[in-house]
Amino acid sequence: EADIYQTPRYLVIGTGKKITLECSQTMGHDKMYWYQQDPGMELHLIHYSYGVNSTEKGDLSSESTVSRIRTEHFPLTLESARPSHTSQYLCASRGTGGFQPQHFGDGTRLSIL
Amino acid sequence: AQSVTQLDSHVSVSEGTPVLLRCNYSSSYSPSLFWYVQHPNKGLQLLLKYTSAATLVKGINGFEAEFKKSETSFHLTKPSAHMSDAAEYFCVVSDASGTYKYIFGTGTRLKVLA
Repeated sequence: EADIYQTPRYLVIGTGKKITLECSQTMGHDKMYWYQQDPGMELHLIHYSYGVNSTEKGDLSSESTVSRIRTEHFPLTLESARPSHTSQYLCASRGTGGFQPQHFGDGTRLSIL
Repeated sequence: AQSVTQLDSHVSVSEGTPVLLRCNYSSSYSPSLFWYVQHPNKGLQLLLKYTSAATLVKGINGFEAEFKKSETSFHLTKPSAHMSDAAEYFCVVSDASGTYKYIFGTGTRLKVLA
């Protein structure tokens, strides 16, 4: 199993709160990703990073922000949560070189009331 | 541009019978292709990957996939389904444009009947 961890696994919180979803990996991977996935649906890339101090927005517009201060850590923040942010958020990483697969965490299921 | 199409959104099989999950891809480059499985409330787990070394790729849990360039397909098969195989399956192509991004299919939900 890949060593990539997400916390919390589940979060139910009220509208307007600031939220940070944590993602850490112990594999030394440079490239990390955040995906948003609604139940039974495909994954949508919302953020990615090629390394420390490098972040890019993904294909799906998101009100969230990310930071990459350390190689192993790639947190995602919502400054003011809204019900439309309710979803599952998956973090992934990949190593250097061709034909590398992504390794996924178990996800955070977020519900905004 | 690259794309991936999973031809069936739902597949039902009886336990002990073969599984076929279909995936077609489009790529201007020699693609990297992957199959992942996702169980409820879990992340994605890599089943297998195509790296151009061999067209028939064996993965975990008895799954395998065959890369057919002439048909632009990468179908996932298993000779005998088990109840534990019930899950969502995603076919993925790696973006070869240098962005290190991945293009996901819309998923196939596999149901295994007792």
